[in-house]
Amino acid sequence: GENVEQHPSTLSVQEGDSAVIKCTYSDSASNYFPWYKQELGKRPQLIIDIRSNVGEKKDQRIAVTLNKTAKHFSLHITETQPEDSAVYFCATGGTSYGKLTFGQGTILTVHP
Amino acid sequence: ETGVTQSPTHLIKTRGQQVTLRCSSQSGHNTVSWYQQALGQGPQFIFQYYREEENGRGNFPPRFSGLQFPNYSSELNVNALELDDSALYLCASSLAGFGYGYTFGSGTRLTVV
Repeated sequence: GENVEQHPSTLSVQEGDSAVIKCTYSDSASNYFPWYKQELGKRPQLIIDIRSNVGEKKDQRIAVTLNKTAKHFSLHITETQPEDSAVYFCATGGTSYGKLTFGQGTILTVHP
Repeated sequence: ETGVTQSPTHLIKTRGQQVTLRCSSQSGHNTVSWYQQALGQGPQFIFQYYREEENGRGNFPPRFSGLQFPNYSSELNVNALELDDSALYLCASSLAGFGYGYTFGSGTRLTVV
């Protein structure tokens, strides 16, 4: 089955710096790549997603890049703010009904 | 537009007991998927319901079962609870079946003692 590896497991940055989280996946048939933000005790919230016919997508301070050949995709957050502190999960999907395969998560801490 | 709601928010059960968790999908969504999130881990896919039938299942034993109702709400039932079943159970609804644009509920925190 699909395996998604996410790195780093923890990331600490200063406010205003950029943060990059990377994921690799094993199933070459995967064609949907969402990123979720989960604050402590709250539900995962979709922050950005990309489909396999697109190499990059940007939404204000957040961007995702996809390299299907290498089977990896990354989340880029620029001008980080303390409220960006949360756990971020990457996931892959689009091959089996309903199934998203999640990475292990990255704890992002933005220091004021 | 209403979001995904789950009940109860917290639950404590004894090993061997049975539990039913409930989920109301977001307005306009016809597909419900259930995930188990152990502490410090990413969510793991349990199964998905579409048109009141299970149409996808992850690597979970048969004691995990579910239902979907005509109004698209759903239940997750777990029989013969084990200590390792302690987790946050998340329900996600969507309009399509492949996981696009999931909206997650806030989850039910199940503790098995």
